[in-house]
Amino acid sequence: NAGVTQTPKFQVLKTGQSMTLQCAQDMNHEYMSWYRQDPGMGLRLIHYSVGAGITDQGEVPNGYNVSRSTTEDFPLRLLSAAPSQTSVYFCASSSLRPTGLGTDTQYFGPGTRLTVL
Amino acid sequence: AQSVTQLDSHVSVSEGTPVLLRCNYSSSYSPSLFWYVQHPNKGLQLLLKYTSAATLVKGINGFEAEFKKSETSFHLTKPSAHMSDAAEYFCVVSGGAGKSTFGDGTTLTVKP
Repeated sequence: NAGVTQTPKFQVLKTGQSMTLQCAQDMNHEYMSWYRQDPGMGLRLIHYSVGAGITDQGEVPNGYNVSRSTTEDFPLRLLSAAPSQTSVYFCASSSLRPTGLGTDTQYFGPGTRLTVL
Repeated sequence: AQSVTQLDSHVSVSEGTPVLLRCNYSSSYSPSLFWYVQHPNKGLQLLLKYTSAATLVKGINGFEAEFKKSETSFHLTKPSAHMSDAAEYFCVVSGGAGKSTFGDGTTLTVKP
């Protein structure tokens, strides 16, 4: 299993540009989430999904869109990038079924470092 | 609603001495609690998880944490620090359904 994969690893955007951060998991997990990590802070939840076709907002959703058409993929879209969105973005997945590490345990991708100029 | 407070933003210890990283939580139900470690410019690695099976949880690399409901605490400890333990540590409470709340992190420095 590849686990949770994210692309790209690094990205530089200009203010106003749009882009999509990709996230995929091959563990058949029901839940997927996007977080951002800023210096001196922990991860903050942007959006999450409990299954294909179902998404909801987290703590800091403004400026981001998500959709989930398949169990495996959960892309994060920035429609008009702003310098305040410069951050490291992590995708995570977890299962509602008991697994080796139990339910609620999130598996994280390696992150995408985004800079908006 | 749930929240996590990591009581120390920075902890510095000498190699071979004990490590204590403090975490208090707030949750309206019996929580799942986690400690993750993040080395510089790396991703998140799960150290350990509490799920009510036992109040003392053993994790990887010699770390353990004790859940104290009366104190709403979940402090992380290690008997003897190693240079490779220098990293950022996050205490996390799970809200279920892929929603986790992170503390702001504790930076652990290990001096030779």
